[in-house]
Order: sequence, then structure tokens, then C-alpha cells
Amino acid sequence: AQRVTQPEKLLSVFKGAPVELKCNYSYSGSPELFWYVQYSRQRLQLLLRHISRESIKGFTADLNKGETSFHLKKPFAQEEDSAMYYCALSGIKQGGSEKLVFGKGTKLTVNP
Amino acid sequence: DTGVSQDPRHKITKRGQNVTFRCDPISEHNRLYWYRQTLGQGPEFLTYFQNEAQLEKSRLLSDRFSAERPKGSFSTLEIQRTEQGDSAMYLCASSFGGPTEAFFGQGTRLTVV
Repeated sequence: AQRVTQPEKLLSVFKGAPVELKCNYSYSGSPELFWYVQYSRQRLQLLLRHISRESIKGFTADLNKGETSFHLKKPFAQEEDSAMYYCALSGIKQGGSEKLVFGKGTKLTVNP
Repeated sequence: DTGVSQDPRHKITKRGQNVTFRCDPISEHNRLYWYRQTLGQGPEFLTYFQNEAQLEKSRLLSDRFSAERPKGSFSTLEIQRTEQGDSAMYLCASSFGGPTEAFFGQGTRLTVV
């Protein structure tokens, strides 16, 4: 079964502090992993995906197949990073379903 | 705004009534997805289209739900005989070539009273 677990519902850090949002997944093959972000009163948008191996807005995420994790990290959090973050997976890489399976999300608050 | 648009943004209906939502994807996108999101949960997949063909439906999608995408452009999601458990945010997304670049709409918030 495909499942994405985000163990923290809420995460609060101070500006300038490092932040790590945890994501663990369950999938029988090699999924594609994504992080989506939703800022207040805005639509859900793609932040980054593991196949791109890119850094967006200072965020990075490394796929760890051994630990089945895809944690999102930023060394110095900014107040504008406050948002809801969702981890998601897709099985499309192996010709599987195109649907995205989302975690329940983590609400990040960066305090001044 | 040239992104994915959904109409209406909010809908309040009485239990037992039928409702229909519309989604207009980004024009060159051939994939269109519907998701449902309830409070405290991430979006849950309902169905998706490649052009006008409905290629996958979730087991969550009961017989009361039907989706169409005539001519491969806009899509409609209809819920018949609404129940209180149908209250949720209904999200539409579109992409070209798979979910890797899915763009989401603002959603339609349905409240069944």
C-alpha cells in the first residue's frame, strides 16, 4: 500500500534556526517524491521533487531509500516560510498510478 | 490569473441535493486530476483524466460521484444526493505529461447542511 507519514502536525521554530520537516513513505517500488507548500490563503503549489535534486527557496530534500524518508530541510528559516507543507508520492516512475498520495501535512510557523 | 480555475469557490447545499463543480485547467495541459481534502488531512485522490479519457478512479469515489471531461478541456465533478460526509474542499489540478508538474486550483469548498 502507498502511504506517506508526516509525524509532526505542527512545527514552530525561530527565524534563523534550522528546520527539518519529516516525511516517511511506504511504497513497494521506487516512487517519485514531492514536497508541496500552501501559504496562507494561496493554492497548493509544488516546492520541489526528488528527481530534480534542486534547492528551492533554500529548501532541500534528500531521498533516503534505506530509511524510506524524504525529509525537507532548510538551514536558516525565514518568517515567510510559515506555511502548510505536504509530502507526496507518485508511482508513475514505474508505470504505476499517476495519482499523488499525500501526507496529512505539517504546519510550520517561523517566529520572529 | 492564467492558472487552474475552479467554480464556484464556495457551495452550501442541503443534504440530498445534487451539486456540480467545474474546473478549467491550464490550456495546454492534457492531465486533469480531482482531489478531496477534509480538515486536518492531506488531499485525497478521486480521479484523473488524460485528455477526455478517465483513466483512474479511486475506490473513495462512490456511485454518487461522476466526473467528465468532454473534449479534453474543462472538467465537471457532480455529486448526487449529497450527504454531510461530502463536506470538504474539492481540488482540481492539471499537468502536462504526469503529476510531476501538477498545478492546483483554489478549490471549491462544499458544505452540506
